[in-house]
Amino acid sequence: QVQLVQSGAEVKKPGASVKVSCKASGYTFTGYYMHWVRQAPGQGLEWMGWINPNSGGTNYAQKFQGRVTMTRDTSISTAYMELSRLRSDDTAVYYCARGPPTYQLPLDGFDPWGQGTLVTVSS
Amino acid sequence: EIVLTQSPGTLSLSPGERATLSCRASQSVSSSYLAWYQQKPGQAPRLLIYGASSRATGIPDRFSGSGSGTDFTLTISRLEPEDFAVYYCQQYGSPFTFGPGTKVDIK
Repeated sequence: QVQLVQSGAEVKKPGASVKVSCKASGYTFTGYYMHWVRQAPGQGLEWMGWINPNSGGTNYAQKFQGRVTMTRDTSISTAYMELSRLRSDDTAVYYCARGPPTYQLPLDGFDPWGQGTLVTVSS
Repeated sequence: EIVLTQSPGTLSLSPGERATLSCRASQSVSSSYLAWYQQKPGQAPRLLIYGASSRATGIPDRFSGSGSGTDFTLTISRLEPEDFAVYYCQQYGSPFTFGPGTKVDIK
């Protein structure tokens, strides 16, 4: 079955960086876009960007431009999201979520989602 | 950027009742690029509806979506105990945006 398994919780100090991984299984990793979405405690969902695992091409939300980097390692079917210059308001659960096939535009729902990775930013 | 507004913020209903959730967009959503997700506490969101009205794989037929342009609706025909959750709408133009959510809780 299609599954996305994310790395474990992280605690970081303000100004540091965090890198979250998302390992895909049950499908051809390079065949589908991968999105990253975050959710602050008790809050709603916020889209951060996507990566095309086939080409490595990315599209980031304007809010995160310059601070986020999405990469992938096709040899191990894993996507990564790195967020730098962390602030306290970056404390959130970070999710990866599969998008549509890479032969089309990334304009479709997200299914499935990883289990989430809690990133806590605290001094 | 398209801003999504969901109403009501909280919907208090009993099992067996019908739930009607609204999602309104600040401008027309292209080609019905509108999805609905369900999220339970401590869990990741789950895709219910895409393309405004198509059910995702494995979603029961008590869930239905409708609408176009700027006004969309998610209907749960008869609430089951496992349906009490938070529901988000999302438009997947570019950039992607989510609504603030509607919580469906037990009356």
